[in-house]
Amino acid sequence: QVQLVESGGGVVQPGRSLRLSCAASGFTLSGHGMHWVRQAPGKGLEWVAFMSSDISNTNYADSVKGRFTISRDSAKNALYVQMNSLRAEDTAVYYCAKSGGDYASGGLDVWGQGTAVTVS
Amino acid sequence: SYELTQAPSVSVSPGQTASITCSGEKLGDKYACWYQQKPGQSPVLVIYQDNKRPSGIPERFSGSNSGNTATLTISGTQAMDEADYYCQVWDSSTWVFGGGTKLTVL
Repeated sequence: QVQLVESGGGVVQPGRSLRLSCAASGFTLSGHGMHWVRQAPGKGLEWVAFMSSDISNTNYADSVKGRFTISRDSAKNALYVQMNSLRAEDTAVYYCAKSGGDYASGGLDVWGQGTAVTVS
Repeated sequence: SYELTQAPSVSVSPGQTASITCSGEKLGDKYACWYQQKPGQSPVLVIYQDNKRPSGIPERFSGSNSGNTATLTISGTQAMDEADYYCQVWDSSTWVFGGGTKLTVL
């Protein structure tokens, strides 16, 4: 069964750092592109970051560029996002999601349950 | 940056057809995806590549994309379809979501 489980969320002060983790099971991260997507309280979905299957490409939303870093540990089959210089507007539920077969058209076909980050 | 616009809310009677639209410049030149999100739950992909349904998604969900508008159509809408729906495209190495449409079945 394909599954993603996020962890690492919590309450953090502005300017501090936090690292979120996403444990994958039922498939190998190295065979798929992976995303982080967030959702502020009562708001819509906002794409945050992407890593290609071969890790040669990483992309970031302008709102987090230079502050967030996406990475992967293939041995642990886990995805991470390192979040530095956190701001109040980074408060959200953060989801990791698996890319469909084609990055441009396949959508995000598997989502985790999310982990909540509060910057205050 | 690319923008997608969705109406905040749409209402439909049970058994009727719901149409949820997403607009963007030359959207028809891109591939649109759609997600369903029920309260307290994670999003679920219901349409990818404009009109393809992932395994397990009911046939009543369909999609189209042409010109500046992509449309998610739910035929024979059921109470369980009440949810927020988001469109999404890939543009210039970024993944863009629309603001979401709340579908009310009443």
